[in-house]
Amino acid sequence: SQQGEEDPQALSIQEGENATMNCSYKTSINNLQWYRQNSGRGLVHLILIRSNEREKHSGRLRVTLDTSKKSSSLLITASRAADTASYFCATDPNGGFKTIFGAGTRLFVKA
Amino acid sequence: GAVVSQHPSRVICKSGTSVKIECRSLDFQATTMFWYRQFPKKSLMLMATSNEGSKATYEQGVEKDKFLINHASLTLSTLTVTSAHPEDSSFYICSAFQETQYFGPGTRLLVL
Repeated sequence: SQQGEEDPQALSIQEGENATMNCSYKTSINNLQWYRQNSGRGLVHLILIRSNEREKHSGRLRVTLDTSKKSSSLLITASRAADTASYFCATDPNGGFKTIFGAGTRLFVKA
Repeated sequence: GAVVSQHPSRVICKSGTSVKIECRSLDFQATTMFWYRQFPKKSLMLMATSNEGSKATYEQGVEKDKFLINHASLTLSTLTVTSAHPEDSSFYICSAFQETQYFGPGTRLLVL
């Protein structure tokens, strides 16, 4: 069964705007990761945030983690058309080896 | 960085035939690998955990006799879709674990 739920399921914005995607999960975790997937392609790892971290930045990406609410958000600032893709959060339920993916958000950035 | 490959990248087969997909860790050894499947516009669903030298552990609802997994070496796991049917058409992705997960590029299976 999937660990996480993401919202929105789909997001359409104009180039230059910020995009925020949210992820919720059900069990305790050690890490939460965000991945990107272009249509029909493999996964690209974006960022990992550990359970003892609250915020992490990487370029135009900002990830937050609230373990008390079991939720995370991914913010992409100054979006570009090339950011158009599906974005998934993934967790390691109960700190185990498995990686379970959220439902994903399909982001469409209009040029 | 660690690299995981999959072969083939895409395969088309006739209904009733079996298809084998390989997952290789190219520059590291992995005692544990994972197999996922992904339907169009959906998320990745974990199918099974592949353990080197022992039987795979399947997630609830995944038929072990339908999806045969063999992890005969520390760098290779194979997934065989037996007696494939059109509903088995999907994108299959593997990952290999070494401190973290490294994902393969995926295999697109189309069953006619």
